[in-house]
Amino acid sequence: SQTIHQWPATLVQPVGSPLSLECTVEGTSNPNLYWYRQAAGRGLQLLFYSVGIGQISSEVPQNLSASRPQDRQFILSSKKLLLSDSGFYLCAWSALGQGVYQPQHFGDGTRLSIL
Amino acid sequence: AQTVTQSQPEMSVQEAETVTLSCTYDTSESDYYLFWYKQPPSRQMILVIRQEAYKQQNATENRFSVNFQKAAKSFSLKISDSQLGDAAMYFCAYSIQGAQKLVFGQGTRLTINP
Repeated sequence: SQTIHQWPATLVQPVGSPLSLECTVEGTSNPNLYWYRQAAGRGLQLLFYSVGIGQISSEVPQNLSASRPQDRQFILSSKKLLLSDSGFYLCAWSALGQGVYQPQHFGDGTRLSIL
Repeated sequence: AQTVTQSQPEMSVQEAETVTLSCTYDTSESDYYLFWYKQPPSRQMILVIRQEAYKQQNATENRFSVNFQKAAKSFSLKISDSQLGDAAMYFCAYSIQGAQKLVFGQGTRLTINP
């Protein structure tokens, strides 16, 4: 069966520090991968998605970036964190659609607090 | 741009009763999908139910059912026989057919009173 792992679960970082959140998927090949952010009391906002290694689409311009160095690995990064980067970050994956919708499966999330 | 609106920030219901959560959306597309996700205190996002826009029949999953009104762009979730474990944030979401992303509403916090 497929599983998605996301870490760390909780992270406290000072303003201006770098960030690296990692997400890996097991049990499937060539998944679509997604990074979402959930601000307090709000819905999820798609930040990035990837349909293959090295292929990243950005939905919201900001000081975050994403990379996909391996087929089942998706990394969210920042060189300098801002206070506004605080939130709950969720990674998700879906199988290739091939004309049929494939549901997204979410990880457990990372709560990021910027001090 | 597609938008999803949940006008009820909070709802509460007595255990074993029925509750309906509202969702409206705006789109110019004809083929799309609608979803309800549940986010319990553990924060994990769990797919509750989905509806394909081309299907006239409302989707049903055990105690969960939807009322899909395509012309009105309305997609409400009905939870029957509410259980304590149903307490969570519920998010309505939309996706264009063939697209890679979900657009979420703001969420409705559902409380179940014993």
